[in-house]
Amino acid sequence: DAKTTQPNSMESNEEEPVHLPCNHSTISGTDYIHWYRQLPSQGPEYVIHGLTSNVNNRMASLAIAEDRKSSTLILHRATLRDAAVYYCILRGNQGGKLIFGQGTELSVKP
Amino acid sequence: DSGVTQTPKHLITATGQRVTLRCSPRSGDLSVYWYQQSLDQGLQFLIQYYNGEERAKGNILERFSAQQFPDLHSELNLSSLELGDSALYFCASSAADSSGNTIYFGEGSWLTVV
Repeated sequence: DAKTTQPNSMESNEEEPVHLPCNHSTISGTDYIHWYRQLPSQGPEYVIHGLTSNVNNRMASLAIAEDRKSSTLILHRATLRDAAVYYCILRGNQGGKLIFGQGTELSVKP
Repeated sequence: DSGVTQTPKHLITATGQRVTLRCSPRSGDLSVYWYQQSLDQGLQFLIQYYNGEERAKGNILERFSAQQFPDLHSELNLSSLELGDSALYFCASSAADSSGNTIYFGEGSWLTVV
């Protein structure tokens, strides 16, 4: 599975937008970019995923670079409940499993 | 609520014992995944089943085994337990195992080995 690189941690202020970056320079043409988040002592929670085009849902937006070697998860207005570890994962057609890296620990200040 | 149900939520057992963790996937989901999360290891993929057949294997110890039953529920069996097996075990499910499907996780089973 192709590897992703994320910052270990980021800080945000409540009600401000947050841009969480992810690099995946070895992405293949069939890899989907998935984002999950995990709150303490809870199961990972699906956030968003995309292949080539930018995606929006009620939780977040996903901006994918034109060459697909990087992507950015955008939380439009951070809340205290968004404090979590965010994982950027590439998922290919060789099997449905998700391989989690270290993720980005997002802290949100009131 | 993801729709994935795991039991038990908490379990304390002694070294050398055997336990079984159970997972009911979301209704209609054919694929089940098991993950282990300990404090120092992060989320580790153990094994995946699809419609009763083993589909992928990760870092699963020989002392651990799993199966998926005809009704699609799955069980993870952990035997000869060691202190290091103490962890949170997650089950997840998806409708299929293609890369565009969403995977939904349960709340986990906390296993403490004493």
